[in-house]
Amino acid sequence: EVVMTQSPATLSVSPGERATLSCRASYSVSDNLAWYQQKPGQAPRLLIYRASTRATDIPARFSGSGSGTEFTLTISSLQSEDFAVYYCQQYNNWPPLTFGGGTKVEMK
Amino acid sequence: QVQLQESGPGLVKPSETLSLTCTVSVGSLSTGSYYWSWVRQTPGKGLEWIGFILYNGRTFYNPSLESRVTISLDASKNQFSLRLNSVSSADTATYYCARERDLGATRYFDSWGQGTLVTVSA
Repeated sequence: EVVMTQSPATLSVSPGERATLSCRASYSVSDNLAWYQQKPGQAPRLLIYRASTRATDIPARFSGSGSGTEFTLTISSLQSEDFAVYYCQQYNNWPPLTFGGGTKVEMK
Repeated sequence: QVQLQESGPGLVKPSETLSLTCTVSVGSLSTGSYYWSWVRQTPGKGLEWIGFILYNGRTFYNPSLESRVTISLDASKNQFSLRLNSVSSADTATYYCARERDLGATRYFDSWGQGTLVTVSA
């Protein structure tokens, strides 16, 4: 099983600032990685797939990068609606599909 | 825009069977490009993939749950279902049904239900 480790667990950021979230795979998942955003009481929402491709209707301030075992989600200028929990998920080596433990982006 | 909706009991007794159904509106389950999936979420373990079923009935399960899980599909009702046997408190979670889209070179969960909390307790 590929273990996905996200850091930091919590990121405190002011609106307008840049947020950088990390995701590490226990072994290579190539670029077969997705990022999801989850707000309280809601289901996850797809942001990025194939490590760097933005999903439909996702603003350009969200970008993904990386391959192999190291991945990054960057939010270039945080908006109020971006405060949420973010998860990475690999689909390269399955079953099982595996998710990271999440990074909570909170207001500083 | 496809919509998914989970339904089923919110409370299950230990050692009994958890049963949930996902109703899909708009479109058919008999489409080859999608995997009809179940994912659960707990505060302790986060998001955990349970498994999925294809349009042709083929299933894939998380090895950690495989001995207790069955996912089935009723295309005539546009529904797919989850059964988890011999539940314990560790199975208390919010259960999501979701659609995973397979584009060949990539895949992703593009639609989710709202989630349903299932508590295992006597």
